[in-house]
Amino acid sequence: GAVVSQHPSRVICKSGTSVKIECRSLDFQATTMFWYRQFPKKSLMLMATSNEGSKATYEQGVEKDKFLINHASLTLSTLTVTSAHPEDSSFYICSAGQLAEETQYFGPGTRLLVL
Amino acid sequence: AQSVTQLDSQVPVFEEAPVELRCNYSSSVSVYLFWYVQYPNQGLQLLLKYLSGSTLVESINGFEAEFNKSQTSFHLRKPSVHISDTAEYFCAVRTSGGSYIPTFGRGTSLIVHP
Repeated sequence: GAVVSQHPSRVICKSGTSVKIECRSLDFQATTMFWYRQFPKKSLMLMATSNEGSKATYEQGVEKDKFLINHASLTLSTLTVTSAHPEDSSFYICSAGQLAEETQYFGPGTRLLVL
Repeated sequence: AQSVTQLDSQVPVFEEAPVELRCNYSSSVSVYLFWYVQYPNQGLQLLLKYLSGSTLVESINGFEAEFNKSQTSFHLRKPSVHISDTAEYFCAVRTSGGSYIPTFGRGTSLIVHP
């Protein structure tokens, strides 16, 4: 199967700072990537769809100025949590669609803790 | 729009016992079905999927799922579980030929006891 990586795997930051999370498709090109947020004991919540070369599409209720998404190449999408607050602490997971397999592959996730 | 129901939030079972994790979906069009597994503090890993063809699909680690169109189900089964199978299991559905965005169930926590 296809491989998706995320970096960092874990980050701790102070309230008010910004944090960037990278998502890479390692062995395939992904015109579309997705960003999810997962709360403890909960399913995944889709935050936004990241489109290569164009603006991301955000789900209802997700602040686009708070969660900046950039999809600069066919293998890299970044999520920047701006002016992070403790309520932004969560597990963030990205995924990329492998067209030929009709399947989404997920990254290992990034644990964000805002103090 | 489609939806997915995982009826059991938690399934405790003893090692080497069989297990079934239930998944039902609703959709007015043809669907693709997926099972993902999430180990603690990790992302989701694709376990198996149904796109077309044989309704019984298998994973490399002994899990299998059967697509039942009449019952709109895609239950996951394993005849003998191991401690290492303890994880969260997510069923997902998306429309065939449509958006790549799947709809996920709420997850079932499989807890294997020694």
